[in-house]
Order: sequence, then C-alpha cells, then structure tokens
Amino acid sequence: AQSVTQLDSQVPVFEEAPVELRCNYSSSVSVYLFWYVQYPNQGLQLLLKYLSGSTLVKGINGFEAEFNKSQTSFHLRKPSVHISDTAEYFCAVNGDYKLSFGAGTTVTVRA
Amino acid sequence: GAGVSQSPSNKVTEKGKDVELRCDPISGHTALYWYRQSLGQGLEFLIYFQGNSAPDKSGLPSDRFSAERTGGSVSTLTIQRTQQEDSAVYLCASSSLDTTGELFFGEGSRLTVL
Repeated sequence: AQSVTQLDSQVPVFEEAPVELRCNYSSSVSVYLFWYVQYPNQGLQLLLKYLSGSTLVKGINGFEAEFNKSQTSFHLRKPSVHISDTAEYFCAVNGDYKLSFGAGTTVTVRA
Repeated sequence: GAGVSQSPSNKVTEKGKDVELRCDPISGHTALYWYRQSLGQGLEFLIYFQGNSAPDKSGLPSDRFSAERTGGSVSTLTIQRTQQEDSAVYLCASSSLDTTGELFFGEGSRLTVL
C-alpha cells in the first residue's frame, strides 16, 4: 500500500516569486512519482514524473521536482511563477497499478 | 479520439434517481480507472479495469455504485438511488503498459444531487 501527504493545502504567492509545494509519500515497494496540475474547470494534466535515474526531474512550464529517497519526498518547485500558474497541484505515487493522490495544494498567484 | 472522453460533462439529478456516467478511453489503452474528486478533497480511487481481468472494485464506496467496461473499451459508472453526498466530479483515466504508471485523464463529469 502507498500513501501521499501534501503538507500545504493552500499556497498564496506573488507573481515572479518562487514557489515550493511539499509532498511526502510512503510505500513498501519502489514507486513512480508524479505531479499533476488541474487548472480551473479543466481535467488533470501531467506536470512531470520520476521513474528512475536522475533525482532532479524537469517538467512543463518551468516546474521541476527532486526525488529524495531517504526523506521519501518529492517536492515541486518553480523559481518564478506567473498568474497562469494559479491552479491545484496534486502529488501522486504509483507502486502497483493505480495512482494514489495527495489531497492537493491550491496555488494562488497574485500580481 | 486523441484523449479520454467523458459524458455528460455536467449532470444535475434529484436525490433517489439513478445516473450513468460514460468514459471513452484513449484507443489502445488497456487500463481504465474511475476516480472521484469531492470539493476540498483529493482524488479518491473507485475502480480499475485491466484488459479481461476481474476489476479492482475496492474503492467503490457502497453497493449503490457499480461500473462495467464493455469490449475492453468504453466504461459506464452507474450510481443508483443517488444521495447528496454523491455530488462530486467523477474522473476517468486510462493508461497502457508502456506509459510507466502515467494516467491520462478526461475532463470529468460533474454530478450534482439536489
């Protein structure tokens, strides 16, 4: 069994400021890790994923995440956010055949 | 089609009525999932289909919920005798063995039970 904890439910941030969204997971097996984004009134789309290899993963729209096995974390970062990054972000883990999601982090970017 | 297609996009129903939600996965994807997204909560796994194997129904919240997948493609999620707590967005996703765990989601069906 696996589970995901997103430590922040809401993150307000000013435009052009950096943002970090925290995600911790637990699993008894090796996992794949994902970040999905859900823009208002849209479905989920993949931001980035970690399968193996380099622990720093780059995704779309300037986002990146770092896999830390010892801390069982997969935090998402962006050095400079835009208004258009306002959305809900979900961390997910796949250790068998289905994704287990965190509760989500709502990012609100203000001018 | 190019992506996962769900219908209806919005459904308003009265308490006690039955509803059916449809999902058409990406062509060639053997796995199909249903998730439920309630306001302020994450995504709750409901059911998983993989090829001709028996589905994993472990996430269905009650026996009012059922799903089937015909011909290994289109799936229908049925909720009988709907309750107000069933109000949520129901998301369908599909994947294949070569997508290394990545799921591709539809835009969801928003269900409102009055």
